[in-house]
Amino acid sequence: QKEVEQNSGPLSVPEGAIASLNCTYSDRGSQSFFWYRQYSGKSPELIMSIYSNGDKEDGRFTAQLNKASQYVSLLIRDSQPSDSATYLCAVSTGGGNKLTFGTGTQLKVEL
Amino acid sequence: NAGVTQTPKFQVLKTGQSMTLQCAQDMNHNSMYWYRQDPGMGLRLIYYSASEGTTDKGEVPNGYNVSRLNKREFSLRLESAAPSQTSVYFCASSDLVFYGYTFGSGTRLTVV
Repeated sequence: QKEVEQNSGPLSVPEGAIASLNCTYSDRGSQSFFWYRQYSGKSPELIMSIYSNGDKEDGRFTAQLNKASQYVSLLIRDSQPSDSATYLCAVSTGGGNKLTFGTGTQLKVEL
Repeated sequence: NAGVTQTPKFQVLKTGQSMTLQCAQDMNHNSMYWYRQDPGMGLRLIYYSASEGTTDKGEVPNGYNVSRLNKREFSLRLESAAPSQTSVYFCASSDLVFYGYTFGSGTRLTVV
């Protein structure tokens, strides 16, 4: 079992719709959870962090964390073509001194 | 506000050649990391340095060595490049992992 698992996609949503991205992790000791956005040929960019159970909202983005189910999700409301990218889930591991990444979910927002 | 600077951006090596990838950060971060990214494999940790003077192996350290030259700089060396090391290499830094990483722009390495 991989430490951090994501559906590779592609996930296609129409412009203006809600995109839902999911991630599961195996290390019950993980304390920090992140979503990175990566455009093709570019480096990952941090867009959301979450540390406690529940929801955290930032603009059009909402991160959700359920530690009991070992599940993290990212909702993108009013999806725009500029949101088309690969979204990487990252989880703190190894006692919290490094991040383990999922393989990423490719999101395509269609006009 | 350069953040994390990686050099070179692109490199082509012949099998058996050696090279060093350079990484420098100007954010006074304690920790620095080297990852490689391959299609379908995601980002995999090669080596990291939790603080100046320390280095530790990550998930895929074979074929690589690192040097934490000072607090700002963390280099990755390929002693004898192999085609399996063709990849995109990212350096990252953080003050505390709790706050996440800042990534450099990457080095695209091809070994022929």
